[in-house]
Amino acid sequence: ETGVTQTPRHLVMGMTNKKSLKCEQHLGHNAMYWYKQSAKKPLELMFVYSLEERVENNSVPSRFSPECPNSSHLFLHLHTLQPEDSALYLCASSQRVGGTEQFFGPGTRLTVL
Amino acid sequence: QKEVEQNSGPLSVPEGAIASLNCTYSDRGSQSFFWYRQYSGKSPELIMFIYSNGDKEDGRFTAQLNKASQYVSLLIRDSQPSDSATYLCAATTGGFKTIFGAGTRLFVKA
Repeated sequence: ETGVTQTPRHLVMGMTNKKSLKCEQHLGHNAMYWYKQSAKKPLELMFVYSLEERVENNSVPSRFSPECPNSSHLFLHLHTLQPEDSALYLCASSQRVGGTEQFFGPGTRLTVL
Repeated sequence: QKEVEQNSGPLSVPEGAIASLNCTYSDRGSQSFFWYRQYSGKSPELIMFIYSNGDKEDGRFTAQLNKASQYVSLLIRDSQPSDSATYLCAATTGGFKTIFGAGTRLFVKA
């Protein structure tokens, strides 16, 4: 595997379900990010991790819970989501936090029923 | 609220023409600027970055930055149908945040 991978690629869940999104980067980067992309809206930064420490929590509802066990893996735990949370969730990584290029994974298309 | 603004388009240009994409940003402290291309159903990929005022050229792409006017642009010369995509402008402020614009859709007509 190369670059940034995400699983699953598609997820349909009910509002009472609990699920997790997984991201793995194979680039030796120190920073990882979760973004939400909804139709016609800018990419919304959700969380930023630098060397496994969360450095940004962008006013995200507590029904989204990130986890970064090491610098290569990032999870987004989901519980009691709402239909408006349906979106494309993108993971990205960069060499360091700040003004460097971010490499994006393919995304998880989430639908909340 | 720090923002990056782009015209949503669609911007339609004939094959071989120059496509001009524009972006403004609100945070004067922004230091790094990026242009990403996103094909439908795919994730964004970086095509250009620029840190200093002026022009930066890479093949058919030229990024232009004017910090006094808080303006970034991307020129695509000799546009090809394969350039048809959404182009995202992004600005990184001092610190950790990269703010993305909503993107401009570009159509290049064969």
